[in-house]
Amino acid sequence: KAGVTQTPRYLIKTRGQQVTLSCSPISGHRSVSWYQQTPGQGLQFLFEYFSETQRNKGNFPGRFSGRQFSNSRSEMNVSTLELGDSALYLCASSPGGTKTGAFFGQGTRLTVV
Amino acid sequence: TQLLEQSPQFLSIQEGENLTVYCNSSSVFSSLQWYRQEPGEGPVLLVTVVTGGEVKKLKRLTFQFGDARKDSSLHITAAQPGDTGLYLCAGVFSSGSARQLTFGSGTQLTVLP
Repeated sequence: KAGVTQTPRYLIKTRGQQVTLSCSPISGHRSVSWYQQTPGQGLQFLFEYFSETQRNKGNFPGRFSGRQFSNSRSEMNVSTLELGDSALYLCASSPGGTKTGAFFGQGTRLTVV
Repeated sequence: TQLLEQSPQFLSIQEGENLTVYCNSSSVFSSLQWYRQEPGEGPVLLVTVVTGGEVKKLKRLTFQFGDARKDSSLHITAAQPGDTGLYLCAGVFSSGSARQLTFGSGTQLTVLP
């Protein structure tokens, strides 16, 4: 069974630009979550999608948005990039429910210059 | 806000030694997960504990979930250099049908040969 695939692996953007990250979950998994990881703040929850609906959202500004498609693939968009948005963005998929583990992709390393 | 405190933050030990990592919260979680992360990669799920007082073993790793489901520990017996990595605990905070992982700050373990 293929794991979680995130593209691209690395990205360099300029302040003010926007970026779209992609995540393909494990086949059969309907829940996709996004996390931001930085050295200072650790892993922080961005949002979770289940069957194309956003079920929960973390404490991030509206510049961060996402969506999920009918095939469970998900995209995350960050508009008007700031230097502080530089981070490892991780996508995790799970079958759903609150008592199953999450399976993470390798992440997208975003650098904003 | 649900918070997880993880300790110690850094641990450097010799091969063959034992160690314990702790994860504590003031909130009750429906489940708690442990992950291990290598540099530049996504976290890899090690175990999920669900029931208060539960103990799970994974080779030389022993995981415990506190009776009140507010704390957990990870014990490694006879550590090996291959155990080196960032260990993360994560609690599932359930809000309705939503699902969100709250991560601890991590324990960076280095096992010296």
